[in-house]
Amino acid sequence: DAGVTQSPTHLIKTRGQQVTLRCSPKSGHDTVSWYQQALGQGPQFIFQYYEEEERQRGNFPDRFSGHQFPNYSSELNVNALLLGDSALYLCASSLSNEQFFGPGTRLTVL
Amino acid sequence: QKEVEQNSGPLSVPEGAIASLNCTYSDRVSQSFFWYRQYSGKSPELIMSIYSNGDKEDGRFTAQLNKASQYVSLLIRDSQPSDSATYLCAVNGANDYKLSFGAGTTVTVRA
Repeated sequence: DAGVTQSPTHLIKTRGQQVTLRCSPKSGHDTVSWYQQALGQGPQFIFQYYEEEERQRGNFPDRFSGHQFPNYSSELNVNALLLGDSALYLCASSLSNEQFFGPGTRLTVL
Repeated sequence: QKEVEQNSGPLSVPEGAIASLNCTYSDRVSQSFFWYRQYSGKSPELIMSIYSNGDKEDGRFTAQLNKASQYVSLLIRDSQPSDSATYLCAVNGANDYKLSFGAGTTVTVRA
């Protein structure tokens, strides 16, 4: 039973560029949430997708956008990258209250 | 005031001892509570969930919830070096899909 998968593992971008991160949920899960985790901090909620719609959004600017596909996989897009966007980006999938995280994508913005 | 606060670490305990981790939350209507373990350089792993007042035991882990005091804790009995990690407390409110996390407490179990 495959768990949550994310790609790529690592990514290096320069300021002003755009990035797309991908997530495939755990088998049987229909909900995907995205979190940003800065070094030494807990994950911060970006948004959650359910039935291909953004169901809830955290305090992140519109530069952060997402999408969920009919197979429940999801993408996170970040435009106009800033140095402060450097972080571990985590995808979590769920069917009920419990959320299970993928391995994350480490984004470095230079 | 932060939504979820955890006791600041790091916490160092000898092998075989009990590690006690504390977490308080500000939203009184919070309904679901979780503990995640995060090894250095890895992603968080769900180890315990608790929804009602009282204790919940799973192997060497015991979660305790007191909604009146807005307090949730995690006890790790017979601590092992493999328990050395950062432990994150997460809270989910009523009609709220997001998890709110504390900053984490780093535990080091010394042999």
